[in-house]
Amino acid sequence: GAVVSQHPSWVICKSGTSVKIECRSLDFQATTMFWYRQFPKQSLMLMATSNEGSKATYEQGVEKDKFLINHASLTLSTLTVTSAHPEDSSFYICSTARTNTEAFFGQGTRLTVV
Amino acid sequence: GENVEQHPSTLSVQEGDSAVIKCTYSDSASNYFPWYKQELGKRPQLIIDIRSNVGEKKDQRIAVTLNKTAKHFSLHITETQPEDSAVYFCAARTGTASKLTFGTGTRLQVTL
Repeated sequence: GAVVSQHPSWVICKSGTSVKIECRSLDFQATTMFWYRQFPKQSLMLMATSNEGSKATYEQGVEKDKFLINHASLTLSTLTVTSAHPEDSSFYICSTARTNTEAFFGQGTRLTVV
Repeated sequence: GENVEQHPSTLSVQEGDSAVIKCTYSDSASNYFPWYKQELGKRPQLIIDIRSNVGEKKDQRIAVTLNKTAKHFSLHITETQPEDSAVYFCAARTGTASKLTFGTGTRLQVTL
C-alpha cells in the first residue's frame, strides 16, 4: 500500500505560537489530502480537504485562517495551526487514497499547547 | 452530507466470545465501508472493508456484513482475544477516493 509520512509525531508549543505539520506521500502523487482532527476519546473529524495547486476546502466550523493548509506539490501537504491555544490540543492526522483503494493515513501528530 | 452512527460505544466480552459492532449510514450513494482498529496515539489500522456490491466479507476471525437496503453494516469478531481490545471505528465513503466519514467509535474490552 501507499506510504504517507507525517511529522512531527508529537509537538508541544506555547500558546500563541504556530505549528506546522507535514504530510508526505512517499510513493505516489497525492492530488488530494484529507486532514482530520481527533480529540481524546472521540472520533476522527474531517477538518479540510487539500487539493494540489488549489485552495483547500474547509468543513463547517473550521476556521480557514487558523488552520492554514498548503498543498504546493503532489507529494507534500502541510497544515499550520496558527496562534495555537490549549483548545487546539488534539491528534491531527492526514490521509490520502488512490482511486478505488483504501485510505492511507499518516502516523498522526499529537499537538499539546501549553 | 454523510452521517454514520455506531453502536455500542463500549463493549466488554469474555475471551473466546464474539463481538458485534453495528453502524448505520445515511447517504445511499456511499459505496465503500472500512473498519479500523485504533490503539491509543496511533493511526487507524484497516482491519477489513467491504464495497457496496458485496453483502459479506470474511477474513479469518473478522467478518463484515452490509445491508444496502437498510443502510447498515456490522463488524463481527469471533473467538475474541485480549489483543483485540482497542477502539474500533466504522466509516463510509462516497466516490472512489473521497473523504471518509467515521462513526463515533466502540471501545472493545476483551477480558480473561
